[in-house]
Amino acid sequence: QQQVKQSPQSLIVQKGGISIINCAYENTAFDYFPWYQQFPGKGPALLIAIRPDVSEKKEGRFTISFNKSAKQFSLHIMDSQPGDSATYFCAASSSGGYQKVTFGTGTKLQVIP
Amino acid sequence: SQTIHQWPATLVQPVGSPLSLECTVEGTSNPNLYWYRQAAGRGLQLLFYSVGIGQISSEVPQNLSASRPQDRQFILSSKKLLLSDSGFYLCAWSVLNEKLFFGSGTQLSVL
Repeated sequence: QQQVKQSPQSLIVQKGGISIINCAYENTAFDYFPWYQQFPGKGPALLIAIRPDVSEKKEGRFTISFNKSAKQFSLHIMDSQPGDSATYFCAASSSGGYQKVTFGTGTKLQVIP
Repeated sequence: SQTIHQWPATLVQPVGSPLSLECTVEGTSNPNLYWYRQAAGRGLQLLFYSVGIGQISSEVPQNLSASRPQDRQFILSSKKLLLSDSGFYLCAWSVLNEKLFFGSGTQLSVL
């Protein structure tokens, strides 16, 4: 019940296209859903995050869509650029005492010119 | 502002040798601290986490250990490295159980 399932494992998108990465969770106690971006040889960095009281959050070209009833959330990268090529991890956690952050397995995105 | 320091950046060690990786956080008090390991092209495996000085929880049984001698210092150790200990080790901190801030990582190769 602690798992976060992420798909696809890898993704190739043309420059200017939309990249979509999906995640699904089971634990209804999760109340914070971040996405992390990791470049090769670097630590992951927080990209954008959402709480379940909203269905969508947008920051620049990055949008999280959240479906509470389906227990799914997704990252959309609009106008994808070669500089977006990285590995993306979704994650989930719950507040109220210590609960570990649960990560998805990651999606390697390649944006080709 | 908060910063996290992790060193060394790369490390090559022979099998059976000891290990000590250090991580320090600046600009925050009583953070939750974490050690993750990432195999090449793989996901993030939580190894240890700590919610306070001397409080360590282990997620995966192994020949690694962690210690937190000071509020903002987290150390990952091993007495004898195995080949399977190779990987990219990441230290991270958070204040609440939400945003994680990762260090730059240590690439460990055990030969």
